[in-house]
Amino acid sequence: DTEVTQTPKHLVMGMTNKKSLKCEQHMGHRAMYWYKQKAKKPPELMFVYSYEKLSINESVPSRFSPECPNSSLLNLHLHALQPEDSALYLCASSPLPTGQGLSQPQHFGDGTRLSIL
Amino acid sequence: AQKVTQAQTEISVVEKEDVTLDCVYETRDTTYYLFWYKQPPSGELVFLIRRNSFDEQNEISGRYSWNFQKSTSSFNFTITASQVVDSAVYFCALSENSGGSNYKLTFGKGTLLTVNP
Repeated sequence: DTEVTQTPKHLVMGMTNKKSLKCEQHMGHRAMYWYKQKAKKPPELMFVYSYEKLSINESVPSRFSPECPNSSLLNLHLHALQPEDSALYLCASSPLPTGQGLSQPQHFGDGTRLSIL
Repeated sequence: AQKVTQAQTEISVVEKEDVTLDCVYETRDTTYYLFWYKQPPSGELVFLIRRNSFDEQNEISGRYSWNFQKSTSSFNFTITASQVVDSAVYFCALSENSGGSNYKLTFGKGTLLTVNP
């Protein structure tokens, strides 16, 4: 079993819906990440949180809104998504975001498969 | 800009064959880290190995082995006596500093390995 837990595993939503993806880790990691992965493509970084603060936003549209309530939780709030946003959304965590973070492997969850109707 | 190239899009082998997955990278950094991840159909990316730019020792872990050659900027991955459970997409990734104390992973496009019984 993965040590990074994502819920839900599957989500189907209409373009006017509001939903949230959740990610949880209890490894004491202080960096958490959201990635988007389209079929047959590598993961694309969306956001990085370091010590519960947003440190990287890869020019993601505002219809995606991340939130890090505490060091163990990471949410991704979704609103007014487009069909092209259908993808696998992966959460990851790593021990340290800064300095030694260069060498830290990221631990990934199973992802949420999102379909926009 | 950093770049990771996995020239093999798909590889198909018969069980018990050996298979090598190629990875070539480009970076201007003198300190960097390379990673291999496995992504089975379930979606989770599983961390396999990390190698830093100063350590060119090859590594063996069971049926897996890695050949890091700085002179050719390559970090190849060999599976010996492949098994059906090895079927997955394999990603090579490079850890890069993205400004200040932030860092992120640059992924190759991945190689889909299919091991047939």
